[in-house]
Amino acid sequence: GGIITQTPKFLIGQEGQKLTLKCQQNFNHDTMYWYRQDSGKGLRLIYYSITENDLQKGDLSEGYDASREKKSSFSLTVTSAQKNEMAVFLCASSIGDQNTLYFGAGTRLSVL
Amino acid sequence: GEQVEQLPSSLIVQEGASVLINCSYTDSASVYFPWYKQEPGKRLQFIIDIRSNMERKQTQRLTLLFDKKTKHLSLHITATQPGDSAIYFCSARDQGGRALIFGTGTTVSVSP
Repeated sequence: GGIITQTPKFLIGQEGQKLTLKCQQNFNHDTMYWYRQDSGKGLRLIYYSITENDLQKGDLSEGYDASREKKSSFSLTVTSAQKNEMAVFLCASSIGDQNTLYFGAGTRLSVL
Repeated sequence: GEQVEQLPSSLIVQEGASVLINCSYTDSASVYFPWYKQEPGKRLQFIIDIRSNMERKQTQRLTLLFDKKTKHLSLHITATQPGDSAIYFCSARDQGGRALIFGTGTTVSVSP
């Protein structure tokens, strides 16, 4: 079996700071995703990528950049952290774009 | 774009009783509806899915009903156990879509 590893597990930033979250998978999956989880709002799609060097925007892409330089990794950058922002960022992967998603454990972001 | 709503947002049930979670979606082009479960401190995991050419799917204690006309799904969990305590997410994807749109989640608490 494979695994998705997200780093760091916890991230504390300052307002206005650029912050980068990383995700690695060893499933050899084609498609990778970044979702944001907020209490009471479910999961909202930020970016996804169907193959190396591909990027597709989700509904919540404003304020974020993403990068898929290798098939196994997908990083997300918060371009300017918002004060008092608190959320969990979840990375996922799937074979192609039609199959079950496998999720990472998440990165919990707090902005002071 | 697609929007997915879930009700109730939370519920408490006595161990052994049944649970019903409702989900509605807006895009009539959606064809695939997987459900995911997030136990406390654990990763989201796939639990059951249904396609738009089906009306019902059952696996062990889970029954998923789908009504294409009303754009409504319902997940029925029977004989609940403490391990069923989790947040349950409904999701949807259209034929040409490449990423899942998730609902707001339903928190289920099973009391002994």
